[in-house]
Amino acid sequence: AQRVTQPEKLLSVFKGAPVELKCNYSYSGSPELFWYVQYSRQRLQLLLRHISRESIKGFTADLNKGETSFHLKKPFAQEEDSAMYYCALRGYGGSQGNLIFGKGTKLSVKP
Amino acid sequence: NAGVTQTPKFRVLKTGQSMTLLCAQDMNHEYMYWYRQDPGMGLRLIHYSVGEGTTAKGEVPDGYNVSRLKKQNFLLGLESAAPSQTSVYFCASSPWTSGGRYNEQFFGPGTRLTVL
Repeated sequence: AQRVTQPEKLLSVFKGAPVELKCNYSYSGSPELFWYVQYSRQRLQLLLRHISRESIKGFTADLNKGETSFHLKKPFAQEEDSAMYYCALRGYGGSQGNLIFGKGTKLSVKP
Repeated sequence: NAGVTQTPKFRVLKTGQSMTLLCAQDMNHEYMYWYRQDPGMGLRLIHYSVGEGTTAKGEVPDGYNVSRLKKQNFLLGLESAAPSQTSVYFCASSPWTSGGRYNEQFFGPGTRLTVL
């Protein structure tokens, strides 16, 4: 089965604190995983993908195949990081494989 | 470029009414998608299209129909709206991929639909 689980609906931290948004997946084979973000009144947009192994806006995410996890981390949260975060998995089928989204985690960074 | 646009932004329907949501993209993307976003459910794929004239079912296709007569447009139809279809609908598009590599999906601003 293909599944993405984000166990936290809401995560609230203070500015400057570390943040970790959890994502676990279920997939047979080599997964491709992504984090999408939706800021207030803005469109959903790609934040980062595991293949690129990049850091975007201070966020990083490492694919851990042993734990089937792709947690999103940032050492020092900023108020502008407050948003809805979705973990997504490239599924089977289709010419390029459709995305399977988790239910999302709302990150609230307090001043 | 406008990117991905959706029409209308808001709509209220009565049970049993029909309507069509329009998605347009000006990026010459091959792939287009319709999702619905419900509180606590995340985004779920309704239908998608891998090219002009082709459509396929996603995770939650029942009660919806789609058409892709032109490459730049992807229409989502509700023939007989039900309260369970109250949701925010997002359209997305992505370019053709080579070598099996995934390409980023670009999302529209969403349509908020309420069915009474």
